[in-house]
Formats: sequence, structure tokens, C-alpha cells
Amino acid sequence: GDSVTQMEGPVTLSEEAFLTINCTYTATGYPSLFWYVQYPGEGLQLLLKATKADDKGSNKGFEATYRKETTSFHLEKGSVQVSDSAVYFCAPHTDKLIFGTGTRLQVFP
Amino acid sequence: DTGVSQNPRHKITKRGQNVTFRCDPISEHNRLYWYRQTLGQGPEFLTYFQNEAQLEKSRLLSDRFSAERPKGSFSTLEIQRTEQGDSAMYLCASSLDGRDVAFFGQGTRLTVV
Repeated sequence: GDSVTQMEGPVTLSEEAFLTINCTYTATGYPSLFWYVQYPGEGLQLLLKATKADDKGSNKGFEATYRKETTSFHLEKGSVQVSDSAVYFCAPHTDKLIFGTGTRLQVFP
Repeated sequence: DTGVSQNPRHKITKRGQNVTFRCDPISEHNRLYWYRQTLGQGPEFLTYFQNEAQLEKSRLLSDRFSAERPKGSFSTLEIQRTEQGDSAMYLCASSLDGRDVAFFGQGTRLTVV
């Protein structure tokens, strides 16, 4: 079945540091790819998406590129803020979204 | 508010009781999904509907779980004879169609005592 592998957390960074969260997936068919974010005490929110190979999704300074050849969708941000502290989920979507365990990001001032 | 709405937000029940949750998706969204999330884990897929048809149900899902989506609008998720292991956050999401962005509700937190 479809699956997602994300880097183990927590990822701990200082404010303004560069962020990379790795994500690889296996999926039947040709999935759309999503990053969702869950802030403390809140529900799941869409962060960004890409629907075909080589597409780059971006939002709030975060970016991820759909790499079909490596089945990856790594999340990056050039300069993180304390307010980015949250749990991030990579999710391929064919018939349904499949989530991994998520990666917790903690940003300190 | 035109987002996905779930009720109740919290439910505490005694082991062995039946519970039912409701999800109202974004209007005109054809797809409706149910997930379960426990602390420190990602959402686990339970089932999904395309309009009123239930197209897939997780093989991990016990027969005590059943879901409906009459008329292709709101959906209900029922858990019969609840067990302590059923304690979790139950999430509903909807999307216009397959592979589209799915929007999540705030969830129903179930505690089985």
C-alpha cells in the first residue's frame, strides 16, 4: 500500500536557521503531494501542494518540489521563525491522503 | 463558517457504550474522509466516500466501526461497544474530488473510560 517516510523529530533550530524536512513516499498511480501543518492545539491545515512532476509548491516561505524520479517531496524554508513551531506532515494523495508520523519542529529565539 | 464541521468536539463514554460522530463537509465537496489520530502519530485512514458511496474502508478497521453518508451530504461515524483503545481524535476531511486538496475539521476527541 501507499506509505510515507519522514525524518524523525523533533527538529530543533534557532530562529533564522535553514530548515529541511525530508519526505519520501511510495504510491500506486500518480499522486498529488501535500504538506500539512498542525500548530499546537489546532487542526490540520494545508501548507502547500504540488500536483505533477517538477512542480514546486510554496507558501509562507516554505517550498517543496515534486521529484518523481526519487519519489521525494522535501520541505524547505530559508529562515524559520518561532511561529513555525508545529508538526509537519507529508502526504501523497491518490484516492486518499496517506500520512506518516509527522516531524515536530521546534524553533527557539 | 463554510469549513468542515464536526460534532461533538469532545465525547467521554464508558467502555461498551456506542457513540456516533457527525461530520458536515464543505458544500459541493464530493469526497469525504474519516481519519483517526492518536497522540504523537499521524492521521490514520479509516474510510472515504465519493458522494454517498463508501469506496474504501481500512482493513485495520474493526467491524465495530461503521460510517454512512446518506444523500452524499453529511456523514456519521459510529463505534459500537467502545474499548479504551478507541480513545483518539477522529478527524473528518472533505475535498472536491480525488487528488484535490482536502480540508480538515477540528476533530472529535473521544475518551473511553
